[in-house]
Amino acid sequence: GAGVSQTPSNKVTEKGKYVELRCDPISGHTALYWYRQSLGQGPEFLIYFQGTGAADDSGLPNDRFFAVRPEGSVSTLKIQRTERGDSAVYLCASSSRTSGRDADTQYFGPGTRLTVL
Amino acid sequence: QQQVKQSPQSLIVQKGGIPIINCAYENTAFDYFPWYQQFPGKGPALLIAIRPDVSEKKEGRFTISFNKSAKQFSLHIMDSQPGDSATYFCAATLYNTDKLIFGTGTRLQVFP
Repeated sequence: GAGVSQTPSNKVTEKGKYVELRCDPISGHTALYWYRQSLGQGPEFLIYFQGTGAADDSGLPNDRFFAVRPEGSVSTLKIQRTERGDSAVYLCASSSRTSGRDADTQYFGPGTRLTVL
Repeated sequence: QQQVKQSPQSLIVQKGGIPIINCAYENTAFDYFPWYQQFPGKGPALLIAIRPDVSEKKEGRFTISFNKSAKQFSLHIMDSQPGDSATYFCAATLYNTDKLIFGTGTRLQVFP
C-alpha cells in the first residue's frame, strides 16, 4: 500500500507570502504528526492530530503556523507571513495509534522542502 | 530536560565494522526509545525501538543497548555494509505522549 505522501516536494516562496503544505497519511491511520527538520538537525515536533482534533500543538513556534485536518485524513500545514527562518524540510508522519500509552510506529513521508527567499 | 544528546556527529567505518552511536537523556519520564534511519531526500524510517524495562534488543544486524541507571542508550550495527550509509537519529517519547524528541543525528559512512 501507499505510504505517507506530501505535496509539494519543493516550495520556493518570497518572504511575507502565505504557503500551504499538504500531507496524505497512510489509509486508516488516525494519528498524524507534523515535524520540521532544519539542515543538519533532527526533526522537531510541531503538532499532533488524533482524528480531526489537534491533541498537542505545543511545538508550533508562533501564531503564523496553523494546521488543520478537517475530515480526519488529509492535513494541511499553513504558514502565514513566511520568514527566511521558516526555511526547512517539513515532515509529516502518521500512525495507527488510537488510545492508550503505547507509542505506535510513526511512518514518515518524504517531506516538503520549503525555501523562503 | 527534554533533550536527547547524540554522539558522534559523524562516523566513518569500513565494511564489516561495527559502528556505535550513543545517546543520553535526562528526563526519566521518557519511556520509549526508537532509532530512525534517514537517507538523503527521504523521511526518517524506524529501524528498531526499545522500552526501559529491557536492557538489550536485537533485530537483524541492529542492536540497541539500554542503560537505565546511566540514562544512556546506543545503537550497534553489526557487519556494516555500504548500504547502511545514512544519517541515524535516536529519539524518545515521554510517558503518555506521542511526540518524538530527536537527537541531532549521526552521519554514518561505510566504505567498501
